[in-house]
Amino acid sequence: DQQVKQNSPSLSVQEGRISILNCDYTNSMFDYFLWYKKYPAEGPTFLISISSIKDKNEDGRFTVFLNKSAKHLSLHIVPSQPGDSAVYFCAAIRRETYKYIFGTGTRLKVLA
Amino acid sequence: DGGITQSPKYLFRKEGQNVTLSCEQNLNHDAMYWYRQDPGQGLRLIYYSQIVNDFQKGDIAEGYSVSREKKESFPLTVTSAQKNPTAFYLCASTHSARRDNEQFFGPGTRLTVL
Repeated sequence: DQQVKQNSPSLSVQEGRISILNCDYTNSMFDYFLWYKKYPAEGPTFLISISSIKDKNEDGRFTVFLNKSAKHLSLHIVPSQPGDSAVYFCAAIRRETYKYIFGTGTRLKVLA
Repeated sequence: DGGITQSPKYLFRKEGQNVTLSCEQNLNHDAMYWYRQDPGQGLRLIYYSQIVNDFQKGDIAEGYSVSREKKESFPLTVTSAQKNPTAFYLCASTHSARRDNEQFFGPGTRLTVL
C-alpha cells in the first residue's frame, strides 16, 4: 500500500523553463509534506515543505502547491538550471507518528 | 559544525556475516531514522526512534536490529537473516519541535554483500 506516489519516474526540461514535479497521496491524516533533492550516492537534502493547512509555499525558485481535495502536491522550479538535475522525492508525515513516508522519486534532467 | 555522520561510506561483507552501520548526530535531535534505498523504490523505512531507549519497526524491519542507548547514536545491524542486504543505507534525524519538519540526512553507506 503506497501512501505517497510519484507516478513520473523521469522528466526532462530545457534550462530556463519551468519544471513541475508531481506527487499524490492517499492518507488524509498527513499534516506536513516535504520535497527533497538527491544526488547519486549522497543523502537527500531538504528543499521545501508545506503544512496541510496551506495551499502554497514559496522559497526562491521553488514553490510547492497543495491541493487537499485532490490529495495532490506539486513542486515548481522556475527557472530550471542544469544544477537542478537530480532525483526529487516527496514525503509526507503525520507529526504525531514521527513517521515519514517517501515517494519513489522523479529524476529531473535539465538540458542546457 | 553540526551534522550527521555515517561510517563507513562503502562496506563489503561476506554472506552470512552480521554487520553494523554507524550513525552519529550532533544536532541535538530527538528522533532518528534508518532508511534503505534500492533502485526505483525510493526510501523505505527500516527502524526509527523518537527517544533514547525506545525504537519502532518501520516497513521493512525484518533482518535488521537497532539500539538507541545515547541520543547522538543510532547504529543499525544488518543480520544474516536479511535476505537481500546489498543496498544504500541512509540515516536521518529530526527535532520534534521543528515547524518545517525537516529531516536531516547523513551521506549514506553503501553495503555490498558478496
